[in-house]
Amino acid sequence: DAGVIQSPRHEVTEMGQEVTLRCKPISGHDYLFWYRQTMMRGLELLIYFNNNVPIDDSGMPEDRFSAKMPNASFSTLKIQPSEPRDSAVYFCASSSAGGNQETQYFGPGTRLLVL
Amino acid sequence: AQKVTQAQTEISVVEKEDVTLDCVYETRDTTYYLFWYKQPPSGELVFLIRRNSFDEQNEISGRYSWNFQKSTSSFNFTITASQVVDSAVYFCALSTSGTYKYIFGTGTRLKVLA
Repeated sequence: DAGVIQSPRHEVTEMGQEVTLRCKPISGHDYLFWYRQTMMRGLELLIYFNNNVPIDDSGMPEDRFSAKMPNASFSTLKIQPSEPRDSAVYFCASSSAGGNQETQYFGPGTRLLVL
Repeated sequence: AQKVTQAQTEISVVEKEDVTLDCVYETRDTTYYLFWYKQPPSGELVFLIRRNSFDEQNEISGRYSWNFQKSTSSFNFTITASQVVDSAVYFCALSTSGTYKYIFGTGTRLKVLA
């Protein structure tokens, strides 16, 4: 089975540009999580969805960040406008309420560099 | 408050040595889950193990073993006969029932020297 898929794997952009990160969760999983990882702050949960509905976005740093999940197999995290301090690795993870519940499976991450 | 503490920032061992990574957690919930993840230099986060609060049995998987002790709120991870490929950052995480959110520790960087 395919794991969590993220694209792009690497993104280099200039300050002020819009950045869109994409995630496809594991089929059948009903929870989706967006994390950011930096050396200074470690792994931070930005937002998570259940059945495509945002449940907790308290980790979203500011209004420049937005996330959507239009259907069960796709989510986006958008930064507009981007700033150098947004440079980080962004992970998407998914989990299921049933079976091996609460175990999150992570995608390979998107390494974002904002110049 | 919920918290996960990984006091060991970095550990270096020589290949074939045994090494234990410590994880101490805090929660007032009676139902919770504990996890270990491995992050190798390539960057991905790899799930290793999940434990629920009602199962204190220790687990062994090959060279890996986990010791869960509720009395000390610890969930320690031991690698026996370490190998260079074990070099990675290891994260411990806590999730309380129904929240589906993880509280991550700060990670322990393990360096296994040949």
